[in-house]
Amino acid sequence: GQNIDQPTEMTATEGAIVQINCTYQTSGFNGLFWYQQHAGEAPTFLSYNVLDGLEEKGRFSSFLSRSKGYSYLLLKELQMKDSASYLCAVSSNDYKLSFGAGTTVTVRA
Amino acid sequence: GAVVSQHPSWVICKSGTSVKIECRSLDFQATTMFWYRQFPKQSLMLMATSNEGSKATYEQGVEKDKFLINHASLTLSTLTVTSAHPEDSSFYICSARYREPYEQYFGPGTRLTVT
Repeated sequence: GQNIDQPTEMTATEGAIVQINCTYQTSGFNGLFWYQQHAGEAPTFLSYNVLDGLEEKGRFSSFLSRSKGYSYLLLKELQMKDSASYLCAVSSNDYKLSFGAGTTVTVRA
Repeated sequence: GAVVSQHPSWVICKSGTSVKIECRSLDFQATTMFWYRQFPKQSLMLMATSNEGSKATYEQGVEKDKFLINHASLTLSTLTVTSAHPEDSSFYICSARYREPYEQYFGPGTRLTVT
């Protein structure tokens, strides 16, 4: 089975940086995803890591350490529209996705 | 590319009735689609994997006779909630596998409310 942990809530100021951590314990691993989900909407893809290291994509970066079962999503230059839930998801050997409970990020002016 | 639609976007039904939700891949063929359920303030839980031309595989604890899945074509999967009850009220989201095995694109979701 999969066990995926991430903080419930985080608050940050507009223009700041926020780091959302995710730890996982899985029976198989084929990559880790980060999704953004606004209330009442479906998740949208942010990043995918399958090898160790940092993947940078604009204001968003994601890091993976497979040996530690650890990932983080880094959001830079926060904007009000970044207020959302951020979901960490692990792809298992059969490519099914298991999701963490999500981290609600609130950006304040 | 990789657009997934769902219909309806929301539905209200009476307890005991059945509701069908459609999931379509608009610009690609999807041999595999997934159905998730999300309760308020909780994460997505995989219900079942829908494979074109074969029976769906259900996750542990999901009643296959209550949640009927049909994947009759490469662009359409349907989820029918039979004899719906208020506890089935939830946000149902489908996804479709795109080119790589790990790529999933999500539909916009269907909000089901059972009264």
